[in-house]
Amino acid sequence: EAQVTQNPRYLITVTGKKLTVTCSQNMNHEYMSWYRQDPGLGLRQIYYSMNVEVTDKGDVPEGYKVSRKEKRNFPLILESPSPNQTSLYFCASSFSENLLEQYFGPGTRLTVT
Amino acid sequence: AQSVAQPEDQVNVAEGNPLTVKCTYSVSGNPYLFWYVQYPNRGLQFLLKYITGDNLVKGSYGFEAEFNKSQTSFHLKKPSALVSDSALYFCAVRDVGTGRRALTFGSGTRLQVQP
Repeated sequence: EAQVTQNPRYLITVTGKKLTVTCSQNMNHEYMSWYRQDPGLGLRQIYYSMNVEVTDKGDVPEGYKVSRKEKRNFPLILESPSPNQTSLYFCASSFSENLLEQYFGPGTRLTVT
Repeated sequence: AQSVAQPEDQVNVAEGNPLTVKCTYSVSGNPYLFWYVQYPNRGLQFLLKYITGDNLVKGSYGFEAEFNKSQTSFHLKKPSALVSDSALYFCAVRDVGTGRRALTFGSGTRLQVQP
């Protein structure tokens, strides 16, 4: 089954404790992206990657890091999480940078206390 | 810069009635326009897109959307709403002219279909 998977689905952590949210897709997609969803703000892009070793900032990259060492994986790293990073996070992938159709993961709900 | 606005936080409609969810956009070049739907506790699912050609595009689950260049709008429509259509709907735009390889999403409209 074609899908985007994210882990963990739910995470509660404390300020400053480094964490990683994994994202994997099995569709051989070139383009991958991370979004955060906050009430009233819709989805805002954090980072995206057009291919292996090619990443770029989205609209809200501060406090986040990403890497793309393999085509299928695109982890999101929070080196020192803060409460304002409490949010619902989605990973997405697309066949190409044309973004004609994105496939979204199920989401990771992160709470930073 | 590319932007999109969904002016209604919530739309209520009775089952069987037609529904419209509004979206307006702003781009400097030509737009690619999209609608996505989010059911509770799920990721977003692609509904339909406008790239070029016919202004009326048809998508999944009986939804369609009309591209209006003069009004910079891309409203989502369905002739007869179902209770199962109740969900959160997002409009998104990509400004092809800028070369920016990212979508900008609206804030979302919650559709509530009453039986």
